Amino acid sequence: GQQVMQIPQYQHVQEGEDFTTYCNSSTTLSNIQWYKQRPGGHPVFLIQLVKSGEVKKQKRLTFQFGEAKKNSSLHITATQTTDVGTYFCAGQVQGAQKLVFGQGTRLTINP
Amino acid sequence: GAGVSQTPSNKVTEKGKYVELRCDPISGHTALYWYRQSLGQGPEFLIYFQGTGAADDSGLPNDRFFAVRPEGSVSTLKIQRTERGDSAVYLCASSLRQGAFGGYNEQFFGPGTRLTVL
Repeated sequence: GQQVMQIPQYQHVQEGEDFTTYCNSSTTLSNIQWYKQRPGGHPVFLIQLVKSGEVKKQKRLTFQFGEAKKNSSLHITATQTTDVGTYFCAGQVQGAQKLVFGQGTRLTINP
Repeated sequence: GAGVSQTPSNKVTEKGKYVELRCDPISGHTALYWYRQSLGQGPEFLIYFQGTGAADDSGLPNDRFFAVRPEGSVSTLKIQRTERGDSAVYLCASSLRQGAFGGYNEQFFGPGTRLTVL
């Protein structure tokens, strides 16, 4: 079945350093979504990417969708302590209803 | 406005018992999803409702799990003969509608129900 893999599983950085998490799907996706889950919280939607090669920015966050629509990345520039949490990608294949989540990348930050 | 709510927030039960978990989606959201999240893992899809009908129940692990949404709003996830392996956080999410060409609109998650089976 469809699988979505995310690396790294954990990332610890100094405040101000950059952070990147990568997401790879075993199948071509119709779209990919990114969610953030704070410790003890629930997933909160960040963004959706639909087009091949799409790049979207939200302040210090940059999201990319690969040309083949099988991989994606999230890059955070100059991390802040408010960025702490687990970042999940979630993919959907054409014709299917469900979102398949990656296992997430847990980001911790040393202030 | 009010977000997705789930009750109870915590449920402790004994192996073999029956449990019901409730989800109140955001008013007007026609799509509703149930996920299960184990520690250190991403949410695992269980079932998706569009209106009153289960449009995709391929994620339900076995026939002990069942979910309903009789009036197209509140949904109940039912687990029979609970097992210790059912222990997890059960998340509910809703979205306004399924987007064009099958694309999703963003999903709004509830706080979850932490189920512990002793």
